[in-house]
Amino acid sequence: EAQVTQNPRYLITVTGKKLTVTCSQNMNHEYMSWYRQDPGLGLRQIYYSMNVEVTDKGDVPEGYKVSRKEKRNFPLILESPSPNQTSLYFCATRGGVRSYEQYFGPGTRLTVT
Amino acid sequence: GDSVTQMEGPVTLSEEAFLTINCTYTATGYPSLFWYVQYPGEGLQLLLKATKADDKGSNKGFEATYRKETTSFHLEKGSVQVSDSAVYFCALHRMLTGGGNKLTFGTGTQLKVEL
Repeated sequence: EAQVTQNPRYLITVTGKKLTVTCSQNMNHEYMSWYRQDPGLGLRQIYYSMNVEVTDKGDVPEGYKVSRKEKRNFPLILESPSPNQTSLYFCATRGGVRSYEQYFGPGTRLTVT
Repeated sequence: GDSVTQMEGPVTLSEEAFLTINCTYTATGYPSLFWYVQYPGEGLQLLLKATKADDKGSNKGFEATYRKETTSFHLEKGSVQVSDSAVYFCALHRMLTGGGNKLTFGTGTQLKVEL
């Protein structure tokens, strides 16, 4: 079954404590990205990756890092989380340059106190 | 830059009512347009798409027509069901130079369907 998995699904943490949200896909997709969803703002892209070792900033990259060492994994790293990063985070993948459809993970709800 | 504007929600309808969720966009060139649906506790799923002007996307009884003259992509369904209760996102897709792509989302419209 084609899947995008994220872990953890829920996380409550404190300001400044480094955390990583993992994303893994089993579809051999080249393109992966991270979004955050906030009320009244829709989804905004944080970072994306077109292939292994190729990453680029999206619309709201400040305070986040990513890495793409393997095709299937695309972790999102918050080195020093702050309360304004409290949000719902989605990982998404798509097949290739000419593929339109993005497949979304189930989401990770992060609360930073 | 690109932008997508959706009607504010929540939209509350009775079962079997007609649904319209408005979506307009601002973009240069010829973007593709999408509707995504998000059921409670889940990620977004592609509902339908249209890749050029006058295309009609359809799926699960939902339809939307790409209207370049009015820069709109309104979502419609003739008879909604309780199971259609979800958040609906209109989105615009553009290919970037260098092979990347960008999806610009609207803010989402929550639909509640009651018996």
